[in-house]
Amino acid sequence: DGGITQSPKYLFRKEGQNVTLSCEQNLNHDAMYWYRQDPGQGLRLIYYSQIVNDFQKGDIAEGYSVSREKKESFPLTVTSAQKNPTAFYLCASSRTAYGYTFGSGTRLTVV
Amino acid sequence: QKEVEQNSGPLSVPEGAIASLNCTYSDRGSQSFFWYRQYSGKSPELIMFIYSNGDKEDGRFTAQLNKASQYVSLLIRDSQPSDSATYLCAVGRYQKVTFGTGTKLQVIP
Repeated sequence: DGGITQSPKYLFRKEGQNVTLSCEQNLNHDAMYWYRQDPGQGLRLIYYSQIVNDFQKGDIAEGYSVSREKKESFPLTVTSAQKNPTAFYLCASSRTAYGYTFGSGTRLTVV
Repeated sequence: QKEVEQNSGPLSVPEGAIASLNCTYSDRGSQSFFWYRQYSGKSPELIMFIYSNGDKEDGRFTAQLNKASQYVSLLIRDSQPSDSATYLCAVGRYQKVTFGTGTKLQVIP
């Protein structure tokens, strides 16, 4: 079955630690996205990529980094520079203008 | 002014009634409009998209778009308790899609 797989489902980060969230899709979509969702604030765009080896910052890119070495994969690293990383992270992919397919999300908590 | 505005709710409707969810947007150049359903603790799921003025129907769902008024709505007919969720309006222009904060719908049995 085609879809988007995010892992892990839950992730705990210690202060000063970098962590990487995985996102893999087998939908053959060119575009991939990372969003952050906080209660009452909706979805905010962190990074997006329209083709392999190219990506752009979204509205809240500070403290995050991404790579797009393969069409299927778009991992997100939450660096120690991100001071408030506790949130629900959603990866999505799309064919142009046809809406997004979302992964099941990763809940990141700072401990 | 927020780019995409929705009433946070909750909107409570009795089972079998029509639920009407509304959304306004600020960018007149917006080209694509989406409705997502998000159950508590889960990821959003695309349920409708619309590009042209007018109505688009899919089963119990109807999306309505009025570009002149910068207004998009979602009607859910014969509401069921399983429709209880948060509904996100999203508006797109080229590759950028902006989400509203969502309206929580409660369908009362």
